Amino acid sequence: AQSVSQHNHHVILSEAASLELGCNYSYGGTVNLFWYVQYPGQHLQLLLKYFSGDPLVKGIKGFEAEFIKSKFSFNLRKPSVQWSDTAEYFCAVNAYTGGFKTIFGAGTRLFVKA
Amino acid sequence: DVKVTQSSRYLVKRTGEKVFLECVQDMDHENMFWYRQDPGLGLRLIYFSYDVKMKEKGDIPEGYSVSREKKERFSLILESASTNQTSMYLCASSDSGTVSGNIQYFGAGTRLSVL
Repeated sequence: AQSVSQHNHHVILSEAASLELGCNYSYGGTVNLFWYVQYPGQHLQLLLKYFSGDPLVKGIKGFEAEFIKSKFSFNLRKPSVQWSDTAEYFCAVNAYTGGFKTIFGAGTRLFVKA
Repeated sequence: DVKVTQSSRYLVKRTGEKVFLECVQDMDHENMFWYRQDPGLGLRLIYFSYDVKMKEKGDIPEGYSVSREKKERFSLILESASTNQTSMYLCASSDSGTVSGNIQYFGAGTRLSVL
């Protein structure tokens, strides 16, 4: 069965530190990949997506993610975090397995110290 | 902007009660989803619907049912609420395009407590 693993459940960083959140999935076919973010008290919203083409994708607020097919990974990065990046981040994978179903990772809670 | 509206932000119910969670989207999306969100478990799909009156079980459908009588509305029903259904419930919608259809838009969530 498909699964999505996020390596860290909780991350604490100081402002200006660099961020990398790991995401690995288990599915050998064609996939669409997403990072969603949920800021405190707000809706879950799309941060960035990969469907095809350049494996390095850029999203909102300076975030980027790199799809490495050979490693089944889609890690999220930001060179310098801000206090306002405090949120929960979810990696998600969509693949055709008899229906378009999206599987979400368990989430990573990021806390950025001011 | 896509708007997905869930009828309640917070609900408190008693064990055994029948509970209705309502969700409305305003973008004419074909697909609608119900998830529950629990700490450390991420989002788990309960049911989804790809058309009016059509529904498919997700990963954890036990104890839940759904109704989609109109395209814009997708209801989640807890037939007899139990304490292990205390959770945050998220509704989402997406259109049916093969590319854009994979992006889901979420409501604010309903935090349900079953006592």
